[in-house]
Amino acid sequence: LAKTTQPISMDSYEGQEVNITCSHNNIATNDYITWYQQFPSQGPRFIIQGYKTKVTNEVASLFIPADRKSSTLSLPRVSLSDTAVYYCLVGRDDKIIFGKGTRLHILP
Amino acid sequence: SAVISQKPSRDICQRGTSLTIQCQVDSQVTMMFWYRQQPGQSLTLIATANQGSEATYESGFVIDKFPISRPNLTFSTLTVSNLSPEDSSIYLCSSPEGTVNTEAFFGQGTRLTVV
Repeated sequence: LAKTTQPISMDSYEGQEVNITCSHNNIATNDYITWYQQFPSQGPRFIIQGYKTKVTNEVASLFIPADRKSSTLSLPRVSLSDTAVYYCLVGRDDKIIFGKGTRLHILP
Repeated sequence: SAVISQKPSRDICQRGTSLTIQCQVDSQVTMMFWYRQQPGQSLTLIATANQGSEATYESGFVIDKFPISRPNLTFSTLTVSNLSPEDSSIYLCSSPEGTVNTEAFFGQGTRLTVV
């Protein structure tokens, strides 16, 4: 599995757009990029997954450049309830290994 | 999406005893994963449980300490044996869904405190 690197923590304010970038220089051809969100005392929740270019759903957007060595999770107009840990993973059919994640703190 | 029910949600156990955690999925799944999450830390994969075969353990985790059962395609148990305070943690099960196995759904976790 490709190793991922993401910021340990980030702060932002309500109503702002938040972008969390993940580095995965050793991503394999068949790997997908997946993001999870985890609130305190809950299991991780799948947010979004993509292979290339841009993916958007009702929660977030995922931007993947052509070389796929990084990806950016974009959360539009965050609220206090978006305070959570966000994990970036790369892989496909293998076991799911979590990195350290980014602790996002939304301020009023 | 699959719904995963995990129980107990929490327990306090005496050292030297064992705790068995149950994970029930509302649909048939091939793979199930068991994780441990220590306070303030990320998730660490303990083992992968496939129906009809022995679980595959990650480095640092052994079957004698963490025996796993997978009797059918909707159920699995993880037992944490011979408990010590260092086993105090949150234990989670998950199951992948979709064509790419990195899209997974998780139970709510079991918070274990060993005293």
